[in-house]
Amino acid sequence: DTGVSQDPRHKITKRGQNVTFRCDPISEHNRLYWYRQTLGQGPEFLTYFQNEAQLEKSRLLSDRFSAERPKGSFSTLEIQRTEQGDSAMYLCASSPRTGGNEQFFGPGTRLTVL
Amino acid sequence: GQNIDQPTEMTATEGAIVQINCTYQTSGFNGLFWYQQHAGEAPTFLSYNVLDGLEEKGRFSSFLSRSKGYSYLLLKELQMKDSASYLCAVRDKRGSYIPTFGRGTSLIVHP
Repeated sequence: DTGVSQDPRHKITKRGQNVTFRCDPISEHNRLYWYRQTLGQGPEFLTYFQNEAQLEKSRLLSDRFSAERPKGSFSTLEIQRTEQGDSAMYLCASSPRTGGNEQFFGPGTRLTVL
Repeated sequence: GQNIDQPTEMTATEGAIVQINCTYQTSGFNGLFWYQQHAGEAPTFLSYNVLDGLEEKGRFSSFLSRSKGYSYLLLKELQMKDSASYLCAVRDKRGSYIPTFGRGTSLIVHP
């Protein structure tokens, strides 16, 4: 296993369009996190899954954002009706079931909304 | 909620030692993390402290004082490749596994 992967790495879209990102965590990591990061800021928490259950969701996350992890493996993050303010790096991370203090981050998906 | 404060930018000379401070205010506490992030790349884990004291790992050490809400990351024998952003992140005790990240400290190492 080479680590957390994300697809696509870059996405350019027009305002109002919908976009979907995929994250494949490290095998057997049961915890999966989505973050958003803008320039000069630390990662900002969006949502968290334990297996297929979405256990936490940031209050900052509008109803245009939705995430799924249907089989407890890969996860998708969808943004509907994108806005220019959604432009950011979207990071996915996973951590293991036991001794799970460290989060392993993927390379991110850079979204640009025109 | 949580409030995490760290300097925006620091500069240091190759071969020197640098200390990056982080102060935090949380309603509870369940661990403090340091991550390194090179420009355009994902954060990578450096250290985790949950008890007071110093944790040493090679050239990097991390210190925690829970009573003071204070941590620092110490980098020794600085190398040019250490130029990166260093993120302090704190996890509170609400039973969550989710750390809240600070804005990061951009460290510039010059020859």
